[in-house]
Amino acid sequence: GAVVSQHPSRVICKSGTSVKIECRSLDFQATTMFWYRQFPKQSLMLMATSNEGSKATYEQGVEKDKFLINHASLTLSTLTVTSAHPEDSSFYICSARGPTGQGATDTQYFGPGTRLTVL
Amino acid sequence: DAKTTQPTSMDCAEGRAANLPCNHSTISGNEYVYWYRQIHSQGPQYIIHGLKNNETNEMASLIITEDRKSSTLILPHATLRDTAVYYCSSNNQAGTALIFGKGTTLSVSS
Repeated sequence: GAVVSQHPSRVICKSGTSVKIECRSLDFQATTMFWYRQFPKQSLMLMATSNEGSKATYEQGVEKDKFLINHASLTLSTLTVTSAHPEDSSFYICSARGPTGQGATDTQYFGPGTRLTVL
Repeated sequence: DAKTTQPTSMDCAEGRAANLPCNHSTISGNEYVYWYRQIHSQGPQYIIHGLKNNETNEMASLIITEDRKSSTLILPHATLRDTAVYYCSSNNQAGTALIFGKGTTLSVSS
């Protein structure tokens, strides 16, 4: 149980275009999902917290107009990187707060990640 | 900033126990400590979590000191597939999401 998927796993786009990444909780409902970014040889950096039916909460230094987050249902959150530039190339990972009843409710389960390359 | 600190790297022989330490002296009394591991180019995999008591599951054991200032993740019989970056994590200041330090790169060799 507690499986999270992401799509696509890998995307290459041209500078100036927008890219949408989907994050789904497959076997549980997640009122809260999270988006992280990871640059090579670095740790995960929290970008934003996504709550179903409300606006996302962005971490300091993350541009909300550039990284659009939509959490329209209890199993789906999307991250859209708008007007992507080469410096946005990174590994984007989502996670979902696990279902109640599986230990502490803060347990986050992570997706496999999306490798974005902007040319 | 992450509230956990870990050694940068550790080595372990296959079949031996791997003991990965984590310092979290600033976490509050009701904050859980979570352990994840990440194999190259994959999402982090949940391992175990704990608050005060020691915990054990099919993957590992977690030993938390009585003062909760540190903990140790134990992989009882490390295999080559346990080679990964291991993260000890806790909540951010808002208490809403997990944040990660730099982790420990564990290398298991035969």
